[in-house]
Amino acid sequence: QKEVEQNSGPLSVPEGAIASLNCTYSDRGSQSFFWYRQYSGKSPELIMFIYSNGDKEDGRFTAQLNKASQYVSLLIRDSQPSDSATYLCAVTNSGYALNFGKGTSLLVTP
Amino acid sequence: DTAVSQTPKYLVTQMGNDKSIKCEQNLGHDTMYWYKQDSKKFLKIMFSYNNKELIINETVPNRFSPKSPDKAHLNLHINSLELGDSAVYFCASSHWAPRGEQYFGPGTRLTVT
Repeated sequence: QKEVEQNSGPLSVPEGAIASLNCTYSDRGSQSFFWYRQYSGKSPELIMFIYSNGDKEDGRFTAQLNKASQYVSLLIRDSQPSDSATYLCAVTNSGYALNFGKGTSLLVTP
Repeated sequence: DTAVSQTPKYLVTQMGNDKSIKCEQNLGHDTMYWYKQDSKKFLKIMFSYNNKELIINETVPNRFSPKSPDKAHLNLHINSLELGDSAVYFCASSHWAPRGEQYFGPGTRLTVT
């Protein structure tokens, strides 16, 4: 069974700090890795994707991928209260279906 | 606005009824999906369609029947609704590619009483 594991949290960080969200996956054939943000009652919003080992930066967000360790992470710099949401890690080996983790709840406190 | 849209946003119905959810995207994508998010917020793939052809059917009861009249539309029909079908159903779309990023619609909250 292909599994994507995330710590459910809540992860609480003070405003302005770096939030670090982690995800591990079991399928070694996984090719593409995504981070979605989901506010309560809303739909998942794609915020980052990464395909190759290493880091990818976009604004305050950095995605990190280590395929050997089957590990992907998301760093949020200068965290803001508006970043408080559930962050979903998603993985695919085919592109036809995303396999989601159960999400990590992030709370950024003023 | 370019987006993935779904109707209705809320659907309340009784057990045994048949209902449909519609999805449309104007992003020019050729692959569309249905996902189910249960009460524990776990998001799981149900179906994916590429160019109107079914690609993935993930152990979904045959009471659920997707239909894709064209690349921009993917509808979900559910027969004989059960209490356990209560969930939020999300439509998504992407370009056809192993790395296609998927964009989600606003969701349809289905409540079966």
